[in-house]
Amino acid sequence: KAGVTQTPRYLIKTRGQQVTLSCSPISGHRSVSWYQQTPGQGLQFLFEYFSETQRNKGNFPGRFSGRQFSNSRSEMNVSTLELGDSALYLCASSFSLNTEAFFGQGTRLTVV
Amino acid sequence: QQQVKQSPQSLIVQKGGISIINCAYENTAFDYFPWYQQFPGKGPALLIAIRPDVSEKKEGRFTISFNKSAKQFSLHIMDSQPGDSATYFCAASHGQAGTALIFGKGTTLSVSS
Repeated sequence: KAGVTQTPRYLIKTRGQQVTLSCSPISGHRSVSWYQQTPGQGLQFLFEYFSETQRNKGNFPGRFSGRQFSNSRSEMNVSTLELGDSALYLCASSFSLNTEAFFGQGTRLTVV
Repeated sequence: QQQVKQSPQSLIVQKGGISIINCAYENTAFDYFPWYQQFPGKGPALLIAIRPDVSEKKEGRFTISFNKSAKQFSLHIMDSQPGDSATYFCAASHGQAGTALIFGKGTTLSVSS
């Protein structure tokens, strides 16, 4: 059974640009959550999607957004990039809400 | 109230020894407590998890001890091996927040041979 797939693995963007990251969950899983990991702040919850609806949102500015498609694949978008957005962005897949979460390898975003 | 406090920040253990990592929480609504292991360049991998209806759960060399009254839980790694050298994160969530996990800051474990 394939795991969580995140693309791309690495990205370099310039301040002010926008970026879209993609996540394909484990087959049969319907919940996708996104996290930001930085050395200073650690792992922080961004948002969760289930059945194409955002179910929960962390404490991040509106520049961070996401969506989920009917096949459970999810994308997150960050607009007007700032240097502080440089981080490892992780996607986690769960069968349903409040069940075990399995992480992908992440997308390393560097903003210059 | 949403915080999960993890200690120690780093830990060095001899091969064959016991590694112990502790976490404490404030929010009594938390009802799910997983531990994750992360190697450099990889995403966190689920190790073991516990819910408040049990005080201990063991899977192989990994054991979670849970103290509901003290609002603390810990990870014990028995017979620690060099391959266990990684960063370990505790986390917590509650049903009303879906699968949103609140993570501790992590513990970097080094097992010396």
